[in-house]
Amino acid sequence: DAGVTQSPTHLIKTRGQQVTLRCSPKSGHDTVSWYQQALGQGPQFIFQYYEEEERQRGNFPDRFSGHQFPNYSSELNVNALLLGDSALYLCASSDLGQKNEKLFFGSGTQLSVL
Amino acid sequence: DAKTTQPPSMDCAEGRAANLPCNHSTISGNEYVYWYRQIHSQGPQYIIHGLKNNETNEMASLIITEDRKSSTLILPHATLRDTAVYYCIVGNYGGSQGNLIFGKGTKLSVKP
Repeated sequence: DAGVTQSPTHLIKTRGQQVTLRCSPKSGHDTVSWYQQALGQGPQFIFQYYEEEERQRGNFPDRFSGHQFPNYSSELNVNALLLGDSALYLCASSDLGQKNEKLFFGSGTQLSVL
Repeated sequence: DAKTTQPPSMDCAEGRAANLPCNHSTISGNEYVYWYRQIHSQGPQYIIHGLKNNETNEMASLIITEDRKSSTLILPHATLRDTAVYYCIVGNYGGSQGNLIFGKGTKLSVKP
């Protein structure tokens, strides 16, 4: 049973460019959450998708957008990249129907903006 | 902002118990305490959670004080593979844990 998978593992972009990161949730999970982790900091919640809609959103600008597909996989898009967007981007999946269900995280995509 | 306070770092000898403290003095009556850890170059991994009673699973034990203002995560026999950043998180997430609020955690170093 594959866990949460993310692609690519590493990415280098330049300022102003756009990037798309991808996530496949753990089998049986229907909810995907995205986090940004800057160096030396804990992960920060970006948003969560369920039934192909954004369900919750953290304090991130509109440059950060997402999508969830019918197979529950998800994409994170970041437009007009800034140097400060350099971070590890983590995807986590869960089963919304389970109370206090634990989150399963992928290993992340390391994004470097030059 | 995170609702928890943790020491930035701790050391533990291999084979000994690792006791990681967490203060959460503003915890509400319906909020749970969750612990996750993050090994270098990996995503966070769920360890355990509890409301008011002590909890134990195959990874660790969670001891919550009677007033619920603090808790301790116990790794009974630490190994080198337990070296990681440990996050204590407080919240009430109902049917979804999507919006976890992480602090900086405690960097645990297990030494031979």
